[in-house]
Amino acid sequence: DAGVIQSPRHEVTEMGQEVTLRCKPISGHDYLFWYRQTMMRGLELLIYFNNNVPIDDSGMPEDRFSAKMPNASFSTLKIQPSEPRDSAVYFCASSRSGVPSGANVLTFGAGSRLTVL
Amino acid sequence: AQSVTQLGSHVSVSEGALVLLRCNYSSSVPPYLFWYVQYPNQGLQLLLKYTTGATLVKGINGFEAEFKKSETSFHLTKPSAHMSDAAEYFCAVSYTGTASKLTFGTGTRLQVTL
Repeated sequence: DAGVIQSPRHEVTEMGQEVTLRCKPISGHDYLFWYRQTMMRGLELLIYFNNNVPIDDSGMPEDRFSAKMPNASFSTLKIQPSEPRDSAVYFCASSRSGVPSGANVLTFGAGSRLTVL
Repeated sequence: AQSVTQLGSHVSVSEGALVLLRCNYSSSVPPYLFWYVQYPNQGLQLLLKYTTGATLVKGINGFEAEFKKSETSFHLTKPSAHMSDAAEYFCAVSYTGTASKLTFGTGTRLQVTL
């Protein structure tokens, strides 16, 4: 298995531009998570999906952020318009349902490093 | 609400020395506890996890952790550090009913010196 695949690995954009980050989870995994990592705030859960349905988006910072999962093999995280404070590494992770329930083991992608100028 | 606290954002040890990375959790219900490792420019990967049963958990690369309910701790140890252990280590917690929502600590960067 190729693991969780994220693209792009690096993105540099200017303030106000739209940014789309992409994720392909591991086949057969029914959970997908988007995390953001910064020096100041560490790892923050933005949103997660179960069977393509958003379950908890309470971590999405504001309306500029949106995430979709149109099918089991693809998800996007969009920022529109982008701001310098959005600069971070964005990780996608996927997992099977945990055993016991709630004890999911996440497999992370390599991350997308976003720089907003 | 659940949370984890990692004491020490940076830890430095000599090669061959004991590694001890500290993690304390806060949870009103029995927790599930995890340690993940992140190498430079990579995503996180699982080292070990505790869910139920034996409180001493062994993971990959010679690491182990012990769940101590009385101390609300889940410290990570390795008897002898290797240069390849240099990375950032994250403790994380979830519990049944959270629908798989992991809460991560702030991380501890481990430096291994000759």
